[in-house]
Amino acid sequence: DADVTQTPRNRITKTGKRIMLECSQTKGHDRMYWYRQDPGLGLQLIYYSFDVKDINKGEISDGYSVSRQAQAKFSLSLESAIPNQTALYFCATSRDRGSTDTQYFGPGTRLTVL
Amino acid sequence: QKEVEQNSGPLSVPEGAIASLNCTYSDRGSQSFFWYRQYSGKSPELIMFIYSNGDKEDGRFTAQLNKASQYVSLLIRDSQPSDSATYLCAVKIRGSQGNLIFGKGTKLSVKP
Repeated sequence: DADVTQTPRNRITKTGKRIMLECSQTKGHDRMYWYRQDPGLGLQLIYYSFDVKDINKGEISDGYSVSRQAQAKFSLSLESAIPNQTALYFCATSRDRGSTDTQYFGPGTRLTVL
Repeated sequence: QKEVEQNSGPLSVPEGAIASLNCTYSDRGSQSFFWYRQYSGKSPELIMFIYSNGDKEDGRFTAQLNKASQYVSLLIRDSQPSDSATYLCAVKIRGSQGNLIFGKGTKLSVKP
């Protein structure tokens, strides 16, 4: 089945460490997204990419960076992790920007920064 | 600031009843509207989307859109305990590069 996968699924790290979260998809979609979800705050967009050469900041990009290594791979990095980056992180993909285009989510990465 | 508002709940309904979930949005340029279901600790999964005024039915689910009043709702008929989850409303706004703006979700609890 065409799918969206994320690694790792769970990660505990310490303040100041560099962390990379990876996302791969076999859906053949051009657009990929990174969200974080905190309890009671809903999904917040961190970065999004329309293709390998087009990367854009979302509403909460400070403290994060991304890399689109290929159409199918989109990585999120925390250069120096801090405790308030403890959250559930989701990668998502979509085909295009059409009005009915839908986003499909990966299983998520639970990140804890001590 | 473009906003999508949902009552956080919890909304509690008995098994077999109709659950009604509501969402309002602030931007009149909103084009299309999506409902996702999210079980605790899991990823959001699409239930359905709607972009024309009126009702759209898919099995036990009906989405209702009223652009003049800027609200969209999701009705779940014959609610089951397995429907207990958080329901996220998401809106695609014209000019937003196709990105979605999510509400914070409504937690639904269906009691056996």
